[in-house]
Amino acid sequence: DGGITQSPKYLFRKEGQNVTLSCEQNLNHDAMYWYRQDPGQGLRLIYYSQIVNDFQKGDIAEGYSVSREKKESFPLTVTSAQKNPTAFYLCASSRGAASTDTQYFGPGTRLTVL
Amino acid sequence: QQQVKQSPQSLIVQKGGISIINCAYENTAFDYFPWYQQFPGKGPALLIAIRPDVSEKKEGRFTISFNKSAKQFSLHIMDSQPGDSATYFCAAGKLSFGAGTTVTVRA
Repeated sequence: DGGITQSPKYLFRKEGQNVTLSCEQNLNHDAMYWYRQDPGQGLRLIYYSQIVNDFQKGDIAEGYSVSREKKESFPLTVTSAQKNPTAFYLCASSRGAASTDTQYFGPGTRLTVL
Repeated sequence: QQQVKQSPQSLIVQKGGISIINCAYENTAFDYFPWYQQFPGKGPALLIAIRPDVSEKKEGRFTISFNKSAKQFSLHIMDSQPGDSATYFCAAGKLSFGAGTTVTVRA
């Protein structure tokens, strides 16, 4: 059963703590993405990676970090520097970097900072 | 700044009616305009997409109309069904998304 998995589904964090969100895909896709979704604001790009060991900042990268050590994995760390981290986080992947390569999204992780 | 403006923010339609969602973009370099459908608590999924050299694309009850000169495109949902109740996002290129439209279809 191919697809994208994100874990955990719900995550609670205390202020000042770093937390890592998992994203795994078994679609053999080269490109992976992280988005943040807030009510009324659509999807905003945090980071994306077109190949292993390479990634680029998106529109709202401040306070986040990523790694791409394996093709199938693209974890996102929300650091304590992120001022308003409570949001729904979506991971996606696509076969390649072309604009017409369909993005497939995971089920998301809802992060709440207490 | 938001590169894609989407309206309305929400709409309610009766079963069997037509839902219309509009988007406008700024950058003429965009060459691909997808629409995504998202159900509560789930990730978005590609619904239908269009290239700028085509003025209209239809898949079942879903139609995209594209106006290149006006830099606008719209999604029409014909014969709306309760199962169509979801949030719809337009996008320009791969990485620029509209703010989303929540569609509620009343039975």
